[in-house]
Amino acid sequence: QKEVEQNSGPLSVPEGAIASLNCTYSDRVSQSFFWYRQYSGKSPELIMSIYSNGDKEDGRFTAQLNKASQYVSLLIRDSQPSDSATYLCAVRGRSNTGKLIFGQGTTLQVKP
Amino acid sequence: EPEVTQTPSHQVTQMGQEVILRCVPISNHLYFYWYRQILGQKVEFLVSFYNNEISEKSEIFDDQFSVERPDGSNFTLKIRSTKLEDSAMYFCASEGAGRQETQYFGPGTRLLVL
Repeated sequence: QKEVEQNSGPLSVPEGAIASLNCTYSDRVSQSFFWYRQYSGKSPELIMSIYSNGDKEDGRFTAQLNKASQYVSLLIRDSQPSDSATYLCAVRGRSNTGKLIFGQGTTLQVKP
Repeated sequence: EPEVTQTPSHQVTQMGQEVILRCVPISNHLYFYWYRQILGQKVEFLVSFYNNEISEKSEIFDDQFSVERPDGSNFTLKIRSTKLEDSAMYFCASEGAGRQETQYFGPGTRLLVL
């Protein structure tokens, strides 16, 4: 079983729609969860972090965490063509060294 | 806004050669990391570094790899004898000391081993 799983996509949505990206993780003791955006050939850029069950909103982005289901999601409202990128889910592992475990990433395409 | 910087942006080397990848973390950060991403694959953890020593390393980080913080600002990754399969993007990341800190990534070094 992969430690962090994401659907690789591509996920295609029209401009202005809501994009929903999902991630599951295997280690039940994980405490910290992150969404990074990665444009082709570039480095991961932090979008959101979430640590508690529930929703966390930041502008057009909402992260949702359900620890019982070991599930993290990212909603992007009013999607723009500039949101087209690969979205990486990352989980801080059980070790206290800060290591991040990444999923494969979901490629999002927002069509004008 | 403070950022992590990395040099060089691109490095081409011959198999068996040594390479040193350099990183300047954000100045007040205390935790430092190296990750790599082979083309088309996921970002993989290599090593974490705190208080001038390795705190964790992955299976990838074998005896050919080493890290060093030679002064108060630089953080380096050395690959002693490069292999073809070392070709990848190498990302440095740094993190502050707060309770819920996050890791900020540098722009990466694209390493190509021929």
